[in-house]
Amino acid sequence: AAGVIQSPRHLIKEKRETATLKCYPISRHDTVYWYQQGPGQDPQFLISFYEKMQSDKGSIPDRFSAQQFSDYHSELNMSSLELGDSALYFCASSDRTGGATDTQYFGPGTRLTVL
Amino acid sequence: AQSVTQPDIHITVSEGASLELRCNYSYGATPYLFWYVQSPGQGLQLLLKYFSGDTLVQGIKGFEAEFKRSQSSFNLRKPSVHWSDAAEYFCAVGDDNFNKFYFGSGTKLNVKP
Repeated sequence: AAGVIQSPRHLIKEKRETATLKCYPISRHDTVYWYQQGPGQDPQFLISFYEKMQSDKGSIPDRFSAQQFSDYHSELNMSSLELGDSALYFCASSDRTGGATDTQYFGPGTRLTVL
Repeated sequence: AQSVTQPDIHITVSEGASLELRCNYSYGATPYLFWYVQSPGQGLQLLLKYFSGDTLVQGIKGFEAEFKRSQSSFNLRKPSVHWSDAAEYFCAVGDDNFNKFYFGSGTKLNVKP
């Protein structure tokens, strides 16, 4: 079965530009999570969505926004990019229909470089 | 608040030697525990997970981990390391509100020939 798909895999932007990262969860997974991993850092939770509604929010800057669409894919929109936004952005998906915390399956990540 | 500690930042072992990577967690309720592996520039691959039941869990690539509630630990082990195991390993705890994972800071494994 196909895993989590993220696009693009690499993105280079200038400061103050905008970027949109896309995530396509595993089929029938209803929950999407976004994480940011800076160089040499552990992944930090940004935001999550369950059934198209935001379910939790972490250390996501106000310049960032995200949403989950009717087909369950999600987009992370980043505006006024700063050098410090350069990182690997992971999307993960899980299936909550079992009623309990389930495994998060991670995509390959999008490497964002801000120049 | 939940947290995960991986005390070892770097570990070097010889190929064929045994391996144990340490993970300690802080969580008030029953923890949901995971180990992921990340190769350079790659995503996070799930090695194994613990939700309940048998405290010794088997994962992929010959890895296993043991949940010890009394020690708040979930250490990852492998009896014989292969050169291809060189990577960074992350321990994570998931909360029971279906939300975020908390990751440890990772342990980089180097395998000597």
